[in-house]
Amino acid sequence: DIQMTQSPSSLSASVGDRVTITCRASQGISSYLNWYQQKPGKAPTLLIYGASNLQSGVPSRFSGRGSGTDFTLTISSLQPEDFAIYYCQESSKVPLTFGGGTKVDIK
Amino acid sequence: EVQLVESGGGLVQPGGSLRLSCAASGFTFSTYWMSWVRQAPGKGPEWVANIQQHGSEIYYLDSVKGRFTISRDNAKSSLFLQMNSLRAEDTAVYYCARDKEAGATKLDSWGQGTLVTVSS
Repeated sequence: DIQMTQSPSSLSASVGDRVTITCRASQGISSYLNWYQQKPGKAPTLLIYGASNLQSGVPSRFSGRGSGTDFTLTISSLQPEDFAIYYCQESSKVPLTFGGGTKVDIK
Repeated sequence: EVQLVESGGGLVQPGGSLRLSCAASGFTFSTYWMSWVRQAPGKGPEWVANIQQHGSEIYYLDSVKGRFTISRDNAKSSLFLQMNSLRAEDTAVYYCARDKEAGATKLDSWGQGTLVTVSS
């Protein structure tokens, strides 16, 4: 199985900050990488698919990069509604493994 | 608007069974793969199983193989998860999610989840 490792596991940031979250796969997965946001008590929502494609309706301050084993999710200017947990997920092969998550909270 | 509504969760004893259902609306159900994803309390999501549009391809997480069965009824736009021989570690919120039409998985719509608690 492919292991997905996210870093950091948590971070504190202020509104307006630029935030970058990293996800590393245990083996190459080309661009088969998705990013999700989850708020307390809610289901995850898809932000980015195929490593860099913005899901319809997602604000353009979110962006994704990477291929192979190393990926990043960047929020260019953090907004109050962005405080949440972010998960990466590989979509290369089953089982479709999620990373451990990065909690973004208010500094 | 895409809607996915899960039902069938509850409290069950270890070794027991439950059948989860997911009613889909707002899209052409028969053209999408569908997935079940679970999330244990305080943990991240864990993909459980997915099923091709007409059920000809099915994949499972190793830990549920032989115990869980995913199925679908395209005429009723419904997805199911039959869970047998339940264990304490199966305790989680179970989400139904719309998967891909083709190509790589992307779970672009999720239900609100149904809680399964396995405890004596």
